[in-house]
Order: sequence, then structure tokens, then C-alpha cells
Amino acid sequence: DAKTTQPPSMDCAEGRAANLPCNHSTISGNEYVYWYRQIHSQGPQYIIHGLKNNETNEMASLIITEDRKSSTLILPHATLRDTAVYYCIAQANYGGSQGNLIFGKGTKLSVKP
Amino acid sequence: NAGVTQTPKFQVLKTGQSMTLQCAQDMNHEYMSWYRQDPGMGLRLIHYSVGAGITDQGEVPNGYNVSRSTTEDFPLRLLSAAPSQTSVYFCASSSWGAGTDTQYFGPGTRLTVL
Repeated sequence: DAKTTQPPSMDCAEGRAANLPCNHSTISGNEYVYWYRQIHSQGPQYIIHGLKNNETNEMASLIITEDRKSSTLILPHATLRDTAVYYCIAQANYGGSQGNLIFGKGTKLSVKP
Repeated sequence: NAGVTQTPKFQVLKTGQSMTLQCAQDMNHEYMSWYRQDPGMGLRLIHYSVGAGITDQGEVPNGYNVSRSTTEDFPLRLLSAAPSQTSVYFCASSSWGAGTDTQYFGPGTRLTVL
């Protein structure tokens, strides 16, 4: 699985967009970019994933560069409840043993009033 | 659906004691796994299972045993607890070969070994 690099921490004002970057320069063609978040003391929660097209769901948007070497998770209107550690993971989507997620340390996002 | 459930929520053990952390899911998922999370760290994979009767080791398997007799349950056994096993343990499940392979996590078990 490709290694990802994220900034250790970021701040965002409540109501503003939070843009969380992720570098995955060694990603291979069959690896998806997944984003999970972990709110304090809880189990990680799936947010979104994509292969090469930009994706949007009710929680967030995922922007993947054309060369797939980096991506940005966008929370369009951050709230205090979005304060969490956000994990970017590059993983082949085969299921089985390929379903093992490799977590780094993530980015701690602090949303401030 | 209850999703992924874990028991107990908290546990304190003495060095050398054994115990079993329970994990159950009601989503008929084939794939289940156990992670541990130490303070300030990301999650590390302990063991995983791709179906009933099939288990395999992850990144940090030493000191832990697992079995998978049913699709629903995936217990984690600590054979002889050590202080180094003080951690938060998360169980997760997902569909085998599903299009998204999204993993669903339980609420965690906070274990302290004295």
C-alpha cells in the first residue's frame, strides 16, 4: 500500500471550509484514496473514497489531482463537531487481506468558534 | 442494525491475567479485524479474518489469539496480559470483495494492564 503524508495539525474557523491535504506520490494505479476520521475516543468513521475522479457525498468532497499524487478532503462548512483526527489512506480495493487499512498519524483538525 | 459492537468498554487486568475481548457485527460482513491504538498513534492491525474459519496475522499479533467460528463474532484473546498491551482496541468489519470495502468500526475497548 502507498504511504501517505499529512500535516500533523490544522485549525479551521467554524463555518468556513476545511481543506485537508494528503500526499501520496507513490500511489499505484489500482489504489484508492480513502478518508476516515476519528472523533476523540471513538472508533474511526468512514468519510469518502475515490480513485481518480472527484467525489462528493453528504459529509465531504474529495479532490484528487490529475496525476493522483495528492488529494484534498474538503469539509465545506466545518462545525465544532468536525474536530477530529483525519486519516488519509491509499489502499487497493480488492477486499480480503487487501482490506487491511494502514493508518498513519493523520491530521488533527481543530475547528474553533 | 447495531453495527459493530464491542464488550467490555473498559477493563483493568493484572499482569499475567488472561481475558477475551468480544466483537460482534450484524451486517453479515465476511471481513473482520482487530486494531490497537496507543496514545497519540494511529491504529495498528493485530489480526484479521476473511471469513468463518479463516484468520491471519496483522502487523502486531504477538500476545494475542483469535478465532472465527461464526460470521458474526470475532473474539480477541489475551493469553497473558502485559503492561505493553495497555491500549484501546477497535474491532472492524467490512464486506468481502465489496465495491467500496468501507470498514465499520466498533466503539472500542479501553484496556489497562497493571
